[in-house]
Parts: sequence; C-alpha cells; structure tokens
Amino acid sequence: DVKVTQSSRYLVKRTGEKVFLECVQDMDHENMFWYRQDPGLGLRLIYFSYDVKMKEKGDIPEGYSVSREKKERFSLILESASTNQTSMYLCAIPGTFGSGTRLTVV
Amino acid sequence: SQQGEEDPQALSIQEGENATMNCSYKTSINNLQWYRQNSGRGLVHLILIRSNEREKHSGRLRVTLDTSKKSSSLLITASRAADTASYFCATVPFAGGTSYGKLTFGQGTILTVHP
Repeated sequence: DVKVTQSSRYLVKRTGEKVFLECVQDMDHENMFWYRQDPGLGLRLIYFSYDVKMKEKGDIPEGYSVSREKKERFSLILESASTNQTSMYLCAIPGTFGSGTRLTVV
Repeated sequence: SQQGEEDPQALSIQEGENATMNCSYKTSINNLQWYRQNSGRGLVHLILIRSNEREKHSGRLRVTLDTSKKSSSLLITASRAADTASYFCATVPFAGGTSYGKLTFGQGTILTVHP
C-alpha cells in the first residue's frame, strides 16, 4: 500500500510560533503537494514540489513556505503562525493523501 | 482557486437507495477524480476519468463526464451506511507541458446513508 504519512494528527501552537508540518511518502514520487481544508472553502493548494529542492506556489501560499531536501520528505512551514492558519492540512502525492494534521493556532 | 461546484451540498438517503452527486468545473481538464473523506480524515481516491472518456465503473460506483457541459456525476448504487462521508470532485487542468497532478477541488457533497 502506498503511504503518505503526516507526522502529527493534532497540533496546537501559539500565535507567532514557527511551525513545521512534516510529510513523508514511500512511493519515490517526484510530485508532492500541501493543501489546506476549511469548511465552506473546500481544499486549496498551498504549495507543491516537482522534484528535490524544486517548489512552486499554489493558490494560497501567503504565510507559508516549504522545504524539500529529500525526495521522500516535504515540509510545510508556517513562518509566524496566525489564528487564520487554524485549519486541516493535507499532504499528498498524485492519487494518495495523508491522514491530515489538524492545526489550531491560539 | 476553486473551480469545482458540487451539487447537492448535502444528501440524505436510506440504505439500498442510489446516491447521485454532480460536479461542474470551469476550465479544460486532463482528468477528473472523485475522492471520499470520512469525518475529518484524509481523502481516499475513488476513481479517475480522463477527458476522452465518457463513463467509468468501479464496483458500485459509476462516473460520467460531459466535457461539453464541463460536468461530471458520481452515482453510488445500493448505498450502505458505511458510504456515509463527504465526496469531492477534483480536476487536473489540461496543460500544454505538465500540470504535475495539481488538483482543484469542488466544495464537496456530504452524504448520509441511514440504516
């Protein structure tokens, strides 16, 4: 079975903290994605990566950055967490999603 | 940007009935995919239909695609309580080079199947 693993199921962080969300895949796929999901807004693409060290902005990149130093790992970084970044974050490779990280910023 | 619109937003049926969900999109696509999400979990891929296909089946699922109307439907036959979930359509845009498999999602349909 293809696995996309997100390191945390639930996270609570304080406003202004730097937050790292980690995602690991075991399919050796070039493409990895970060989405956020909010009620009434559906899933929106934040960033994606098409190779190691290569990244492109999605539809809502503001307030986020990403890192892909190794092919299997794609990290989403909230440089200075804000309450409007409270959301469900989903990592994916084509056709397979992780279980999601529910982040609450207080 | 959200390009998919799903209809209805919520659907409530009895076990054994069929459930039909519709999805519309705005731009040319390479393929359209349907996903299921159980109560705040990750998304599970159900089926992919390419832009040159009109209909596809997988078990109790039937998907149609009408590219002239930019719409798709997902039919679940003989529904079960375990089918209760949110269902999303997602499109991969047609791109001259490559789209990398980026997905643009609809808002989703919440399906409740009563035992």
